[in-house]
Amino acid sequence: GQNIDQPTEMTATEGAIVQINCTYQTSGFNGLFWYQHHAGEAPTFLSNNVLDGLEEKGRFSSFLSRSKGYSYLLLKELQMKDSASYLCAVLDSNYQLIWGAGTKLIIKP
Amino acid sequence: GAVVSQHPSWVICKSGTSVKIECRSLDFQATTMFWYRQFPKQSLMLMATSNEGSKATYEQGVEKDKFLINHASLTLSTLTVTSAHPEDSSFYICSARVDQGAAYEQYFGPGTRLTVT
Repeated sequence: GQNIDQPTEMTATEGAIVQINCTYQTSGFNGLFWYQHHAGEAPTFLSNNVLDGLEEKGRFSSFLSRSKGYSYLLLKELQMKDSASYLCAVLDSNYQLIWGAGTKLIIKP
Repeated sequence: GAVVSQHPSWVICKSGTSVKIECRSLDFQATTMFWYRQFPKQSLMLMATSNEGSKATYEQGVEKDKFLINHASLTLSTLTVTSAHPEDSSFYICSARVDQGAAYEQYFGPGTRLTVT
């Protein structure tokens, strides 16, 4: 079957760096997405990795290794507003999104 | 875990026709379902929120007469794109909410890719 795994919850300190991992097993691969989701709001697109390597965008970076079925989202200089759920999703061969359950990130002062 | 399905996964239709997309929560009951639209490399845009048995609440700028939403049961919501035009071509994603006391979990469907020719 198709499966996306990411940690349920992580805690980090304001100003620090946190890495959220995502592993996937899907039927085909057409890209991996990371979204930030605050409860009650629409998920915000953070990144889309199609090729292997690191994509950097300000305080957020995302890495992909297709051979390992692995991605991570790196958040630097954490701010309190970064407290949210972070969703990993893979677009499979049928262009269907397979979603992870999300990682709830708690930022402490 | 909780599973949300959508049907169809991919649909191509001619301009002027209507298309219905179904969203089902397979192993849980969802009091609230959300419909989103996504353009490439953009955030999910919330179109509307629907509660079972009541009218959907549409976000500003979303035409309720064009995007008809019906939440007939706790496990099924439908989005009908009426008189579709090429600019309606997009990726439509639904999600279902499960209330857990003061907090809630939200589960996303696999999306439906609509192409209007």
